[in-house]
Amino acid sequence: GAGVSQSPSNKVTEKGKDVELRCDPISGHTALYWYRQSLGQGLEFLIYFQGNSAPDKSGLPSDRFSAERTGGSVSTLTIQRTQQEDSAVYLCASSLAGTSNEQFFGPGTRLTVL
Amino acid sequence: SQQGEEDPQALSIQEGENATMNCSYKTSINNLQWYRQNSGRGLVHLILIRSNEREKHSGRLRVTLDTSKKSSSLLITASRAADTASYFCATGSSGGYQKVTFGIGTKLQVIP
Repeated sequence: GAGVSQSPSNKVTEKGKDVELRCDPISGHTALYWYRQSLGQGLEFLIYFQGNSAPDKSGLPSDRFSAERTGGSVSTLTIQRTQQEDSAVYLCASSLAGTSNEQFFGPGTRLTVL
Repeated sequence: SQQGEEDPQALSIQEGENATMNCSYKTSINNLQWYRQNSGRGLVHLILIRSNEREKHSGRLRVTLDTSKKSSSLLITASRAADTASYFCATGSSGGYQKVTFGIGTKLQVIP
């Protein structure tokens, strides 16, 4: 595809439910990142993938959050037992190998936990 | 914790004026990038300046980097209403895994 895509674009869920957010990076980009942005706030780093491995997952806020990447391409961010404070826009970005390169962002998934 | 801190957090100017945003950071960097975000969605990369560069231009954008003061500035000249957005600096750390860390952003409003 031409850019990074994310699905769904919006997700409304009830507290306690699990959600899966998907990211399709630009083909050939080996680096993939997940960020979270609460309303009016900056970007909070969650996790970084290089290929299928995650050398930095220091930003995952709790063990309810997990992410995986398969085939060096698609990534899924899973939030278990969602809480209201998980409500935010979840942004995915990809870049060429190495983190000193320009990151290309997807449009984000807006998650609302009721 | 945030590495970069943008200043001011909000800026309102008239169309045609210049807008200057600043970014300060704490640790050594490999590069610094500026991004723009419209309507709270995906960010768009504007410009990257490496630690051995002092100034860089791209169209109406001018970025400076002062590694001795650990600061950068983004200047938008002859602003347009379409420049209304949030602007973030992102620092790529030096040595080992080059983590990119975003600041909290400057919200720019350009009034027509």
